[in-house]
Amino acid sequence: EAGVTQFPSHSVIEKGQTVTLRCDPISGHDNLYWYRRVMGKEIKFLLHFVKESKQDESGMPNNRFLAERTGGTYSTLKVQPAELEDSGVYFCASSQLFGTANTEAFFGQGTRLTVV
Amino acid sequence: QQQVKQSPQSLIVQKGGISIINCAYENTAFDYFPWYQQFPGKGPALLIAIRPDVSEKKEGRFTISFNKSAKQFSLHIMDSQPGDSATYFCAARKQDNQGGKLIFGQGTELSVKP
Repeated sequence: EAGVTQFPSHSVIEKGQTVTLRCDPISGHDNLYWYRRVMGKEIKFLLHFVKESKQDESGMPNNRFLAERTGGTYSTLKVQPAELEDSGVYFCASSQLFGTANTEAFFGQGTRLTVV
Repeated sequence: QQQVKQSPQSLIVQKGGISIINCAYENTAFDYFPWYQQFPGKGPALLIAIRPDVSEKKEGRFTISFNKSAKQFSLHIMDSQPGDSATYFCAARKQDNQGGKLIFGQGTELSVKP
C-alpha cells in the first residue's frame, strides 16, 4: 500500500514568488493534515481537512497561505507571495476517521521550502 | 503558547545505554500521547503511544511512562543502538468527533555512539 506522498521534496524560491506544495494521502483516508517545522522548532499544526471540507484552519499563519483539497483526494498548499519566514519543512499527514479501527496519522516525507 | 514541552533538545548515549526523553503538557483534555521517530529525509513515524488511563506501555525496547497527576510522560529506550539515532517527538491530541490535530514537542536529537 502506498504511503503519504508529497512533492516536491525540495523547493527553493525567491521572496515574493509563489509555490504550491502537493500531498497525496493514503487511499481511503478522509482526514488530511498539514504541519510545518521551522528551524528545529516543534512541528506546528496548520490545518485539517475532512474529505474536501476544512475542519480546522486555526494554524494557518496568514492569508498568504491557501489550502485546497479537491474532491476529497489530494491536497495542495499554496504560498503567495512567499516570505523569508515561510522557510521550513512542510509535512502532510492522513488518517482514517475516528470510529474506525486504526486512527493512526501517517506522515509524508515532507517538502523542504527555502525562501531566499 | 507551547502546550507540549520536550527535553532535552539533544541527547548523546553510548550503545547499550538507556535514553530518556521527557515531555510535559498543559491541557488536561488531551487523551492520546504518541511518540514519533524521524530519520533524516523521512517523515515522522509513529513509534509508540499511550492513553491517560494507563501508567506505562512497553513495546520491545521502548517504554512510555505516564504520570497523569503531574501531566508528564517520558520515553525510555533500553539497550540503545546506533540505529536508534534519530529525532524523537512527543505529541498530544484531543480527540473530537472528526479527528484530532497533534500538538508536538520541540523534538530531541538522539545520537547513540557505538
